[in-house]
Amino acid sequence: GQQLNQSPQSMFIQEGEDVSMNCTSSSIFNTWLWYKQEPGEGPVLLIALYKAGELTSNGRLTAQFGITRKDSFLNISASIPSDVGIYFCAGENYGGSQGNLIFGKGTKLSVKP
Amino acid sequence: NAGVTQTPKFRILKIGQSMTLQCTQDMNHNYMYWYRQDPGMGLKLIYYSVGAGITDKGEVPNGYNVSRSTTEDFPLRLELAAPSQTSVYFCASSSRQGTLDGYTFGSGTRLTVV
Repeated sequence: GQQLNQSPQSMFIQEGEDVSMNCTSSSIFNTWLWYKQEPGEGPVLLIALYKAGELTSNGRLTAQFGITRKDSFLNISASIPSDVGIYFCAGENYGGSQGNLIFGKGTKLSVKP
Repeated sequence: NAGVTQTPKFRILKIGQSMTLQCTQDMNHNYMYWYRQDPGMGLKLIYYSVGAGITDKGEVPNGYNVSRSTTEDFPLRLELAAPSQTSVYFCASSSRQGTLDGYTFGSGTRLTVV
């Protein structure tokens, strides 16, 4: 089946540093989504990308949908302690018989004050 | 709006017991999903539903059953609990495929089978 390779698995950074994480796939997706999960909670949508090459920002977060539709990255600028959590990429195809998100394994972000 | 509500938050089951994980949404979403999340792994789809009366298997359906008698509710049933079903279970909903809003997730049910 379709798989997403997300890297890095974990990051330990200093407050104020910039963060970059990415997802790649051997399959094409129509939509890329980035979620953040905090302890004891479900994932919360951060950014959604719908067009190849699209670059979208949400505050200090910036994400891009790769031109080949097989990859995406998420950048966080000037990290703060509340950025701590697990970040998941997810790819979605629609129009077929099975509509669902395929998730990466997550990037665990730790921020030292 | 409450969004997606899951109950219970925590549960410990003995091997062979059965239970139902409840999920309800108040957003009038047609699509609903059940995922499980194991440590260090992403979320894997168990079952999904595109509307009341319609359900379909996801990637890891074995050992589970679902029903969708109403738009709001999508319960997940474990008939004979096994240690391999120890996991955190998330229910999600969306208005349609390719939704602009992505999926809305519940806060999860942490299940331990001993």
